[in-house]
Amino acid sequence: GNSVTQMEGPVTLSEEAFLTINCTYTATGYPSLFWYVQYPGEGLQLLLKATKADDKGSNKGFEATYRKETTSFHLEKGSVQVSDSAVYFCALSESGANNLFFGTGTRLTVIP
Amino acid sequence: ETGVTQTPRHLVMGMTNKKSLKCEQHLGHNAMYWYKQSAKKPLELMFVYNFKEQTENNSVPSRFSPECPNSSHLFLHLHTLQPEDSALYLCASSQDLENYEQYFGPGTRLTVT
Repeated sequence: GNSVTQMEGPVTLSEEAFLTINCTYTATGYPSLFWYVQYPGEGLQLLLKATKADDKGSNKGFEATYRKETTSFHLEKGSVQVSDSAVYFCALSESGANNLFFGTGTRLTVIP
Repeated sequence: ETGVTQTPRHLVMGMTNKKSLKCEQHLGHNAMYWYKQSAKKPLELMFVYNFKEQTENNSVPSRFSPECPNSSHLFLHLHTLQPEDSALYLCASSQDLENYEQYFGPGTRLTVT
């Protein structure tokens, strides 16, 4: 079956620190991979995506590379800001929007 | 208004009450979704509607009853809920079922007492 495992958190970093949030997946086929972000009091927003192996998704300074050999899609940012404080969700889909599988989310807090 | 809106934002109800959650999308999308977000658990897809027709019901108890009168509106009718149903209920929409990008509303925080 399909599933996503991401580091539990919470993660607390100082401003300008390097961020990595690990995500690994299990899928029966060749999924598309996503990172969603949920800011306080808001719904989830798509942050970035990658649809095939070795693709790199990037947005707002965040990056994630689709690694088929390690079944991973780790989220990274070189220098976090206080405004990046949010919950980050890794997700996969094999056949369209109605089959999105989400991880449990990782809460990131960035302190000045 | 733009995007996906949900009302109410917070709801407290007793186990014998009947209430409804409302979702509205202003994006011209054809597919709409209800999710349940509980602490330390993955988002649980509850229902999927495409062009007003229900295409998925993920074994959701009958005390949750969805309604989709048109492609822009989605309701979740609640009746005789249990305390374990307390959660954040998120509505989302997408252009269609083949488009991976879902747009989420801010959610309704439901507490069942």
